[in-house]
Amino acid sequence: AQSVSQHNHHVILSEAASLELGCNYSYGGTVNLFWYVQYPGQHLQLLLKYFSGDPLVKGIKGFEAEFIKSKFSFNLRKPSVQWSDTAEYFCAGWAFGRSSASKIIFGSGTRLSIRP
Amino acid sequence: SQTIHQWPATLVQPVGSPLSLECTVEGTSNPNLYWYRQAAGRGLQLLFYSVGIGQISSEVPQNLSASRPQDRQFILSSKKLLLSDSGFYLCAWSTDKFWGNTEAFFGQGTRLTVV
Repeated sequence: AQSVSQHNHHVILSEAASLELGCNYSYGGTVNLFWYVQYPGQHLQLLLKYFSGDPLVKGIKGFEAEFIKSKFSFNLRKPSVQWSDTAEYFCAGWAFGRSSASKIIFGSGTRLSIRP
Repeated sequence: SQTIHQWPATLVQPVGSPLSLECTVEGTSNPNLYWYRQAAGRGLQLLFYSVGIGQISSEVPQNLSASRPQDRQFILSSKKLLLSDSGFYLCAWSTDKFWGNTEAFFGQGTRLTVV
């Protein structure tokens, strides 16, 4: 991915609602994608990652993401959210350099607020 | 196991003062090292990354600089801080340099407030 974008800046849901956070990437050859989560006052943690193989990726805490190549998307989903899912979520991907090392780039993040 | 240390956790500095944030990684060798800044509403912006000692790539022109004096040490500096340098600074590392086969691991971050 040469760029990663997230269009949902702030999402507010009630407990038990289903979640889908959008992430789109621009094609840059090999596509390796991630979702990170940052709970209030904590450091960034990896939720899940896609390198190749099954496009439906399972992560921690009941999260999953689906890599859809035709849509350049890697949306994050959870069937039933909990209050403890309140956090900021970041989509990220590797941007590959043609003559230099590669680097991980992030989307702008989505703040998820869950109403108890 | 690998760990990453970043300090200080919080810092309040006056405008025009110098800055030095340090990051060290343990348990791995020759990592890729990164400095990101998280500003309110702007997500994570990559500032610098390094593939080896003395090798620094800058992503955005700014008032900051980075150095890698040792294999597992990454330093973010400024000679004179600006108000706009306020933000949350994150250090990260990864093992893969070219093929993107690993994720990045993050430090706890430094909250910098320039007053």
